[in-house]
Amino acid sequence: KNQVEQSPQSLIILEGKNCTLQCNYTVSPFSNLRWYKQDTGRGPVSLTIMTFSENTKSNGRYTATLDADTKQSSLHITASQLSDSASYICVVSALGAGSYQLTFGKGTKLSVIP
Amino acid sequence: DGGITQSPKYLFRKEGQNVTLSCEQNLNHDAMYWYRQDPGQGLRLIYYSQIVNDFQKGDIAEGYSVSREKKESFPLTVTSAQKNPTAFYLCASSKRETNTGELFFGEGSRLTVL
Repeated sequence: KNQVEQSPQSLIILEGKNCTLQCNYTVSPFSNLRWYKQDTGRGPVSLTIMTFSENTKSNGRYTATLDADTKQSSLHITASQLSDSASYICVVSALGAGSYQLTFGKGTKLSVIP
Repeated sequence: DGGITQSPKYLFRKEGQNVTLSCEQNLNHDAMYWYRQDPGQGLRLIYYSQIVNDFQKGDIAEGYSVSREKKESFPLTVTSAQKNPTAFYLCASSKRETNTGELFFGEGSRLTVL
């Protein structure tokens, strides 16, 4: 069964500090992995997509990594801001599957405090 | 600006009542989806539609119904048969042919059963 596990479940950090969120998956065959940011009470918004051939991709202060061999991805946030407080959801697509067959993680809830 | 509009943002229902959640998109996307989000759980697919006048059940379709009479609209009805309807409901859309996992989400509708 395809699964996506995220850790930690929740995280509290001080403003200005860095943090790393983890995503492990068993989806096979792998097509791509996407990180979404979901503010409280809002819809998720895509941050970045990682395909099989990509190891690292940055989007501002967000840097995603992918190790397709170990089936792990991480999202690193640099110099955190209060606006980074949100849930971060890892979503994995299987090769040949439709967009209605995505596997969602449960998310990591990040709280950035002053 | 293109996007997805969900309404209402908050909805209260008495037990035994049906309610309909609205979802409209102006992104010219063929595919539309309804997800349910509960605390501590990943998004779960209720229904999806890849083309007008056609839709398919997702993982948790029982107690829900949808229609797709127009490309832009994909309303969800939560019927009295849904035993635990209190949840956050998210509508999304995507290009039909994509498998990049990029879904564009609405702002969500929170349904509370009194």
